[in-house]
Amino acid sequence: AQSVTQPDIHITVSEGASLELRCNYSYGATPYLFWYVQSPGQGLQLLLKYFSGDTLVQGIKGFEAEFKRSQSSFNLRKPSVHWSDAAEYFCAVGSMNRDDKIIFGKGTRLHILP
Amino acid sequence: DAGITQSPRHKVTETGTPVTLRCHQTENHRYMYWYRQDPGHGLRLIHYSYGVKDTDKGEVSDGYSVSRSKTEDFLLTLESATSSQTSVYFCAIRGRSGYTFGSGTRLTVV
Repeated sequence: AQSVTQPDIHITVSEGASLELRCNYSYGATPYLFWYVQSPGQGLQLLLKYFSGDTLVQGIKGFEAEFKRSQSSFNLRKPSVHWSDAAEYFCAVGSMNRDDKIIFGKGTRLHILP
Repeated sequence: DAGITQSPRHKVTETGTPVTLRCHQTENHRYMYWYRQDPGHGLRLIHYSYGVKDTDKGEVSDGYSVSRSKTEDFLLTLESATSSQTSVYFCAIRGRSGYTFGSGTRLTVV
């Protein structure tokens, strides 16, 4: 069965510190992987996606993620967080097949200490 | 988000009343989805569509129905609203580059 696990419900980091949000997935075929960010009261904004090719993908707002097939992981990283990065982050997996749909993790809420 | 709008943005309704949420896209995409978002559950798929009059159930479809009579509109109906359906509802479209989400509808059932 398809699933996405984000093991950390909450993460707190200091402004300027580095960040890594974990994501593990279970998927029967080659996955398409996504990271979305949601600020309070807002919709979901796509940070980055992996379809194929280079396993290190760059996204908006200085985020990057690395696809590791052997570990079934797609962790999100940022070298130095800003207070404006405080939000909830969702990892998702899916494909572009006809009957497929995107499955989300339960999210990780990021708190930033000044 | 560009190309996809949801209406209404907010709604309060009474238990037992029918409610219809609308998702409208201008991108002419085949695939459209309805999700609900609840604390601790992330986003869960309610129903989806891969074309006009072609829909299927997601993981939390009980109590919901959908219709798609035109490519651009995907309607979600709560036949008889219950308090457990208080949630934020998101519509999404799938294009070549991935999925784009609407801004959401916050529904409160009292």
